[in-house]
Amino acid sequence: EAQVTQNPRYLITVTGKKLTVTCSQNMNHEYMSWYRQDPGLGLRQIYYSMNVEVTDKGDVPEGYKVSRKEKRNFPLILESPSPNQTSLYFCASSPPGATSYEQYFGPGTRLTVT
Amino acid sequence: QKEVEQNSGPLSVPEGAIASLNCTYSDRGSQSFFWYRQYSGKSPELIMSIYSNGDKEDGRFTAQLNKASQYVSLLIRDSQPSDSATYLCAVRGSGGYQKVTFGTGTKLQVIP
Repeated sequence: EAQVTQNPRYLITVTGKKLTVTCSQNMNHEYMSWYRQDPGLGLRQIYYSMNVEVTDKGDVPEGYKVSRKEKRNFPLILESPSPNQTSLYFCASSPPGATSYEQYFGPGTRLTVT
Repeated sequence: QKEVEQNSGPLSVPEGAIASLNCTYSDRGSQSFFWYRQYSGKSPELIMSIYSNGDKEDGRFTAQLNKASQYVSLLIRDSQPSDSATYLCAVRGSGGYQKVTFGTGTKLQVIP
């Protein structure tokens, strides 16, 4: 089944404790992206990657890191989480070519930082 | 001015009616336009994409694009209670890396 997976789905952590949210897709998509969704603010892009070893900042990159060492994986790293990073996080991927930017989303990770 | 604007709703329509969802965008050079449906607590799901002016139909859904007016809409015919969700408009802009910007969504309620 073609899909984007994220782990964990739910995470409660404390301020300053490093964490990684994994994202993996099995559709051979080149473009991958991370978003956070907050009430009233909608989906905001954190980081995106056009291909392996090619990443760039989105609208709200502060406090986050990413890496793209393999085409299928795009982990999101919070080196020192803070309460304002409490949010719902989505990973998404897009195929190349004419339908690029038609994004397929993972199930989401609900993160709470206390 | 927000890059992509939607009325937050809720938009309430009776079952069987046509629901009309609207979206405006600020980047005149925008190239691609998308509608996503998001059920509460779930991830967004792509339902329509449109790339050129005019109408595009897919089943009960019709997307309409007017680049001159910087306006894109989604019509849902014969609305069903299962269509009750938040609908997100997304626009691929003309910027250097051609990012996709999402609106904050319109909540649709279909009343049985």
